[in-house]
Amino acid sequence: EDQVTQSPEALRLQEGESSSLNCSYTVSGLRGLFWYRQDPGKGPEFLFTLYSAGEEKEKERLKATLTKKESFLHITAPKPEDSATYLCAVQTYNNNDMRFGAGTRLTVKP
Amino acid sequence: DTAVSQTPKYLVTQMGNDKSIKCEQNLGHDTMYWYKQDSKKFLKIMFSYNNKELIINETVPNRFSPKSPDKAHLNLHINSLELGDSAVYFCASSQDSGTQYFGPGTRLLVL
Repeated sequence: EDQVTQSPEALRLQEGESSSLNCSYTVSGLRGLFWYRQDPGKGPEFLFTLYSAGEEKEKERLKATLTKKESFLHITAPKPEDSATYLCAVQTYNNNDMRFGAGTRLTVKP
Repeated sequence: DTAVSQTPKYLVTQMGNDKSIKCEQNLGHDTMYWYKQDSKKFLKIMFSYNNKELIINETVPNRFSPKSPDKAHLNLHINSLELGDSAVYFCASSQDSGTQYFGPGTRLLVL
């Protein structure tokens, strides 16, 4: 069965303290891996899609990378406004559905 | 100019009632979805639908039914509400199997 596991469950950083969030997956026929950001009381906001191992994408302080088994979301010099839950999801060639991980709740203290 | 919108934002109701949640997207997408996010914040697919096919997650009770009056709308009807139905429900849309864009969510509380 397809599985998506995110770690850590929660992460507290000081402003400027860089770190990485992990998303490990076991799926048959990965079509794409997605990263979303979710703020409290809001819907998930799309960040990145990665399609093949070795691919990297960047947006401001965020950089997403992909291997055959996992993806990392690197946060460089985070700011308090980066505080949110970051969700990883995988999509396979079997169907259009996305299977989500449980998320990493990031808190960045000033 | 909201891309995916849902109404209502909050819904408080009694056990046994029937309710509907509406979803509209103005992105021109051909596929729409309903997700349930439980108290542990875990997002799980309930339905995916385009003009050709409805795919139902087998774990969804048949009290839940999606209804699509047109390509831009996918409403969720829930019959005989139960306490365990309390959750946040998200609508999403995509073009074919592309990136999914989510609505703001409907917070359902069943008393």
